[in-house]
Amino acid sequence: AQSVTQPDIHITVSEGASLELRCNYSYGATPYLFWYVQSPGQGLQLLLKYFSGDTLVQGIKGFEAEFKRSQSSFNLRKPSVHWSDAAEYFCAVGVSGGYNKLIFGAGTRLAVHP
Amino acid sequence: DVKVTQSSRYLVKRTGEKVFLECVQDMDHENMFWYRQDPGLGLRLIYFSYDVKMKEKGDIPEGYSVSREKKERFSLILESASTNQTSMYLCASRTGTTLFFGEGSRLTVL
Repeated sequence: AQSVTQPDIHITVSEGASLELRCNYSYGATPYLFWYVQSPGQGLQLLLKYFSGDTLVQGIKGFEAEFKRSQSSFNLRKPSVHWSDAAEYFCAVGVSGGYNKLIFGAGTRLAVHP
Repeated sequence: DVKVTQSSRYLVKRTGEKVFLECVQDMDHENMFWYRQDPGLGLRLIYFSYDVKMKEKGDIPEGYSVSREKKERFSLILESASTNQTSMYLCASRTGTTLFFGEGSRLTVL
């Protein structure tokens, strides 16, 4: 069965530090891959997505993610974190058959120290 | 901007009560979704609808039903609420490959 694993439940970084959030998936073919962010009290917002082509994708708010087929990973990165990035981040996988049944990871909660 | 509005942000209900969670989107999207969000479990799909009066079960439909009488409105119904349905419920609509989410309805069942 398809699955998504976000190994880190909580991460704390200092403002200005770099960030990498990990995401691993289990799926036989190349999936559609997404990162969503949920700020406190808000709904989820799409940060970026990957379907094919260039394995390094750019998103909003200065985030990027890299698809590595050999590692079944789609890690999210940001070179310099801002206090406003404190939120929960969800990796999601879309499998064959369309985009109506995304599988979400458990989420990684990011705290940012001043 | 796309807006997905969930009418109730916080609800407290008693075991056995019937609960309606309402969701409205303003962008004429065909596809709408109800997710349940629990700590450590992420989002799990309860039901989705791809057209008026059309619905399909997600991963955890037991104990829930849905209604979509108009394109812009998608309702989640708990026929007889139970304590294990205490959770955050998120509604979303989809255009292309992007989901747009409401702010969530936090339901507590006592």
